[in-house]
Amino acid sequence: SQQGEEDPQALSIQEGENATMNCSYKTSINNLQWYRQNSGRGLVHLILIRSNEREKHSGRLRVTLDTSKKSSSLLITASRAADTASYFCATDATGANNLFFGTGTRLTVIP
Amino acid sequence: DVKVTQSSRYLVKRTGEKVFLECVQDMDHENMFWYRQDPGLGLRLIYFSYDVKMKEKGDIPEGYSVSREKKERFSLILESASTNQTSMYLCASRHFYGGEETQYFGPGTRLLVL
Repeated sequence: SQQGEEDPQALSIQEGENATMNCSYKTSINNLQWYRQNSGRGLVHLILIRSNEREKHSGRLRVTLDTSKKSSSLLITASRAADTASYFCATDATGANNLFFGTGTRLTVIP
Repeated sequence: DVKVTQSSRYLVKRTGEKVFLECVQDMDHENMFWYRQDPGLGLRLIYFSYDVKMKEKGDIPEGYSVSREKKERFSLILESASTNQTSMYLCASRHFYGGEETQYFGPGTRLLVL
């Protein structure tokens, strides 16, 4: 499967702490994206990092990409209860026609 | 903002029924997708469509068909619903910019087949 795999499957932290989620994938990619899904809702695009980029920031989000290890991480700083959601990585694999989504990390931020 | 809507948030059907799930996007995107989402399995692609009347099978097309008669509308059809098709169904449309794609998702339809 070309799906990414997120790690950990579930993460529970206190409000104000940082949350780190990891994604590993198998093929060469054009870019990697992170999406968020609130319970029972659709996915929302958060951030995209190109294969020639190593780090990208957007607000409280920081994404890193290591193409040699085929891995990415998403860091959410100063977490809030409203960050409680599932987070998915998706790879735009070279030569593929669509994105491949991982199985997600369920983040719970405790107020 | 891109808006992707799905006809139902929750649906309950009986085994053997024919089920239609509708998806509409308002951004003139050419590409649309249907996924199902199950615990522990993530999102799995059922079908996608490059343009009107064009469709491609995804990873798990068995038991499903699709229709794309108009650019804004992409329908998923369960020909004869079975209990193993109980799932969350997500529709998405694709936007390309600078050679990169972003997918915009609808809110999902949670289908229960009894």
